Amino acid sequence: NAGVTQTPKFQVLKTGQSMTLQCAQDMNHNSMYWYRQDPGMGLRLIYYSASEGTTDKGEVPNGYNVSRLNKREFSLRLESAAPSQTSVYFCASRRGDFNTEAFFGQGTRLTVV
Amino acid sequence: QKEVEQNSGPLSVPEGAIASLNCTYSDRVSQSFFWYRQYSGKSPELIMSIYSNGDKEDGRFTAQLNKASQYVSLLIRDSQPSDSATYLCAVNMLGGNTPLVFGKGTRLSVIA
Repeated sequence: NAGVTQTPKFQVLKTGQSMTLQCAQDMNHNSMYWYRQDPGMGLRLIYYSASEGTTDKGEVPNGYNVSRLNKREFSLRLESAAPSQTSVYFCASRRGDFNTEAFFGQGTRLTVV
Repeated sequence: QKEVEQNSGPLSVPEGAIASLNCTYSDRVSQSFFWYRQYSGKSPELIMSIYSNGDKEDGRFTAQLNKASQYVSLLIRDSQPSDSATYLCAVNMLGGNTPLVFGKGTRLSVIA
């Protein structure tokens, strides 16, 4: 059972380049999330999708866009990468019911130079 | 502002001792609480969840919840060097499928 799968695991971008981080879950979860994690800052929510067809901004959405392609897949796009977007990005999913936990992908380590 | 607060640590305990990790949250109506463990360079993994006041035990781990004080804790008994990690407290503050709010984590170091 794969759980939550993110691609790529590592990426180096030049300032101004664009890229899409992919996330897929095979647990039939309704809700999916993108977080970034920086030293001393904890996990900060970028965007989330409570259910297929909906997306909402989180705490730090600027510079990012998302697409909930279907129930399984939720992608995060950086249109014009900036050094401030150097971070570790985690995708997570939850069934979406009241007392359910989040499951995380293995993370994408992104460096913008 | 929905907040979850944790002491960043590092918390150092000797092998075999009890490690006590604490978390406070701002929203009184919060209903579900989770503890995640994150090893360096890895993703967070769930170790405990708790929904009702009191204690919940799972092996060497005990989660404690006090909703009146807006406080949740994690006790690790017989701490092992392999328990050395960052522990994240997460709270479902608004219920339903709203995102979990995470604390910044407490780094635990178990000294052999």
